[in-house]
Amino acid sequence: NAGVTQTPKFQVLKTGQSMTLQCAQDMNHEYMSWYRQDPGMGLRLIHYSVGAGITDQGEVPNGYNVSRSTTEDFPLRLLSAAPSQTSVYFCASSYRGVIGTYNEQFFGPGTRLTVL
Amino acid sequence: AQSVTQLDSQVPVFEEAPVELRCNYSSSVSVYLFWYVQYPNQGLQLLLKYLSGSTLVKGINGFEAEFNKSQTSFHLRKPSVHISDTAEYFCAVSDREAAGNKLTFGGGTRVLVKP
Repeated sequence: NAGVTQTPKFQVLKTGQSMTLQCAQDMNHEYMSWYRQDPGMGLRLIHYSVGAGITDQGEVPNGYNVSRSTTEDFPLRLLSAAPSQTSVYFCASSYRGVIGTYNEQFFGPGTRLTVL
Repeated sequence: AQSVTQLDSQVPVFEEAPVELRCNYSSSVSVYLFWYVQYPNQGLQLLLKYLSGSTLVKGINGFEAEFNKSQTSFHLRKPSVHISDTAEYFCAVSDREAAGNKLTFGGGTRVLVKP
């Protein structure tokens, strides 16, 4: 298993450009999430999905769109990049568990994005 | 809603000395508790988790943490650190009842182990 993969690893954008960060997992996990990591703020949830066709907003969703057409893929779209979106982005996935259980989240290696 | 506070942003420590990383949380619902580690330029790796049962939890690489419900704390400890423990450590919580396994993270603690 490749686990959770993210592409690209690095990206530089100009303000106003759009792009898609790719995330894929081959573990047949129902749950997938996107986080951004900023110094001193830990990781903050952007969007998440509990299954194909189902997405919802996290703590910091503004400026980002997601869709989940397949179990394997969960791309994150930046519609019009802003310098405030300079960050490291992590995708994560996990199995769905019954209420009262927790299944470990597996994180991808991250995408480092700079918006000029 | 939940929030997590890691009380130290940086912790310098000498090799073979003990280390404690402090974590306090606030939540209106029951939560699961976690510690993750991030080595330089890498993703996150789960160190340990508290789901239920014994409040002392042992994880990988000799780390352990103690859940204190009355103080809403989940401090991480290691009795003797190695140079390879140099990393950033994140405390996190997850709502027990919510779908999605969503995590709320603290701001992180950078541990620098000095020879």
